Amino acid sequence: DQQVKQNSPSLSVQEGRISILNCDYTNSMFDYFLWYKKYPAEGPTFLISISSIKDKNEDGRFTVFLNKSAKHLSLHIVPSQPGDSAVYFCAASSPGNEKLTFGTGTRLTIIP
Amino acid sequence: NAGVTQTPKFQVLKTGQSMTLQCAQDMNHEYMSWYRQDPGMGLRLIHYSVGAGITDQGEVPNGYNVSRSTTEDFPLRLLSAAPSQTSVYFCASSWDRAGNSPLHFGNGTRLTVT
Repeated sequence: DQQVKQNSPSLSVQEGRISILNCDYTNSMFDYFLWYKKYPAEGPTFLISISSIKDKNEDGRFTVFLNKSAKHLSLHIVPSQPGDSAVYFCAASSPGNEKLTFGTGTRLTIIP
Repeated sequence: NAGVTQTPKFQVLKTGQSMTLQCAQDMNHEYMSWYRQDPGMGLRLIHYSVGAGITDQGEVPNGYNVSRSTTEDFPLRLLSAAPSQTSVYFCASSWDRAGNSPLHFGNGTRLTVT
């Protein structure tokens, strides 16, 4: 049972445009959400997070939006740059739970 | 600052062999964990530790053992390797429990079991 779903395995976006990566979850107990970025042959690196008490968090070109009623999370990258080409994972956790549940990832390709 | 260091980077094992994947962190993090990444399945938690001397099972613990004798080290042992354990293994650490702070990952060990 996949509790965190990234339904788009891949996404291509023109350089300079907005990239929108989506993530849906089924567990209503999740209260902390994160996005990780992964380059080939490297480990995932933390990008941005959001707590369920907020609906938006920004960090430079990256913004994460949380819609709790829809159980939906999205990551916006504006403007997209070639170095953003990577696999992006969303992850979620619930209170008192030691486990981060990851989605299956979306491969983002930025076209110069 | 090395962060999380995993060795080896690559390993090929025959079915039934045992081995230990090493993981060390120099950030004085209490929380450490092991994940495996398989195509189409994201990252799945194998075992984790909230401090020296304390370990617990994650989502897919069968066939793996861990110990945590020091804050810095968290080795993962494969007892009797099986082809189903062919995967990329990531060690991660954080200053607080996984639900409260971001994980810092190592660069992974790619394991092939023939």
